[in-house]
Amino acid sequence: AQTVTQSQPEMSVQEAETVTLSCTYDTSESDYYLFWYKQPPSRQMILVIRQEAYKQQNATENRFSVNFQKAAKSFSLKISDSQLGDAAMYFCAYVRWEADKLIFGTGTRLQVFP
Amino acid sequence: DGGITQSPKYLFRKEGQNVTLSCEQNLNHDAMYWYRQDPGQGLRLIYYSQIVNDFQKGDIAEGYSVSREKKESFPLTVTSAQKNPTAFYLCASSTGLAGPGGELFFGEGSRLTVL
Repeated sequence: AQTVTQSQPEMSVQEAETVTLSCTYDTSESDYYLFWYKQPPSRQMILVIRQEAYKQQNATENRFSVNFQKAAKSFSLKISDSQLGDAAMYFCAYVRWEADKLIFGTGTRLQVFP
Repeated sequence: DGGITQSPKYLFRKEGQNVTLSCEQNLNHDAMYWYRQDPGQGLRLIYYSQIVNDFQKGDIAEGYSVSREKKESFPLTVTSAQKNPTAFYLCASSTGLAGPGGELFFGEGSRLTVL
């Protein structure tokens, strides 16, 4: 069975600094998607970034980028120039190609200090 | 604006009562999902539906029931059989199978507290 592991329950970063959140997953599939979702205190989850497994290039969305290591089954999220609004729970998620449900990790709470 | 609306935001229930959480979407999405969120456990899938009048159990379906009579609506009933119903419930929708991308769009959630 596929699993997603986030080993850092909490992280903190100073404003304007860079922080990396870790995620590992276990699958025997070769085609799948990986996601990072953000859940701010308002509780509404929003998609931060998506990575297709068949793409070797790491996805980037403005200050957010990933380090996708397919062989190591690792998918970390790097937040550059951290802002106070980045404070939230971050969830890593996996779904195999043409599957119909995502598998989520347990989340990492990120605090951002001024 | 397109999106997902969950209601109520907060709900209190006495033990032994059934309660229904509403989820409506105007994104024209085929698939809808219900997740339960507990501290330290991430999101766990309760039920999901890929098409009207059809739905499947997720990982923790016991004590819950759903219906999908309309494409826009996917209500969740928390029955008295659910032993530990106090939690935060999230509804989500997507275009369907993960081939095109699999992104989920979420509502703002409903917090259920059993007194």
